[in-house]
Amino acid sequence: EPEVTQTPSHQVTQMGQEVILRCVPISNHLYFYWYRQILGQKVEFLVSFYNNEISEKSEIFDDQFSVERPDGSNFTLKIRSTKLEDSAMYFCASSPGQLQGYTFGSGTRLTVV
Amino acid sequence: AQKITQTQPGMFVQEKEAVTLDCTYDTSDPSYGLFWYKQPSSGEMIFLIYQGSYDQQNATEGRYSLNFQKARKSANLVISASQLGDSAMYFCAMRDYQSNTGNQFYFGTGTSLTVIP
Repeated sequence: EPEVTQTPSHQVTQMGQEVILRCVPISNHLYFYWYRQILGQKVEFLVSFYNNEISEKSEIFDDQFSVERPDGSNFTLKIRSTKLEDSAMYFCASSPGQLQGYTFGSGTRLTVV
Repeated sequence: AQKITQTQPGMFVQEKEAVTLDCTYDTSDPSYGLFWYKQPSSGEMIFLIYQGSYDQQNATEGRYSLNFQKARKSANLVISASQLGDSAMYFCAMRDYQSNTGNQFYFGTGTSLTVIP
């Protein structure tokens, strides 16, 4: 069963530091997403990415955040200067088409101290 | 406004019994999809079942079925013959295919299910 792979599974970083969360989507998928889930809360949309550009983003996805597909396989989320409230589980997802369901990765738990 | 409402923060069910997890949704788009995901304590999101707004029949996937009542805008998940491994958080989600936010999912706040031996 193809899967979306996220690394690392857990990252601890100091406030103000930059972090890069990495994802390898399923190889034939064309749409890529980042979601986050603050502990005990619901999953929130951050951004969607298609054809090498952002197709949608939420209010959460401010100038501190950026996404990139640096090569044919990786999809990264960068947080430039982390804040305590960025602590959350970050999920990457991909889908083959716009109308189809996602496959989520297993998540990266980011802890900002 | 909440797009997805899950009114049961926690549910208990006896092993081998059936349980229904409630989900209501809000959209004016005629074309949308409804999804259920399971999140065990390990944190990953596991896709369970999908229902399209134009599907004539309720979706079923093994022990999971979706009780889709379009007029009431509800999409309840039914788990039959509960197992201890079903203990997890369950999220209902929706995509509006015709809106300008058709790329994103809207998630409910989740229901924590505990299966009692």
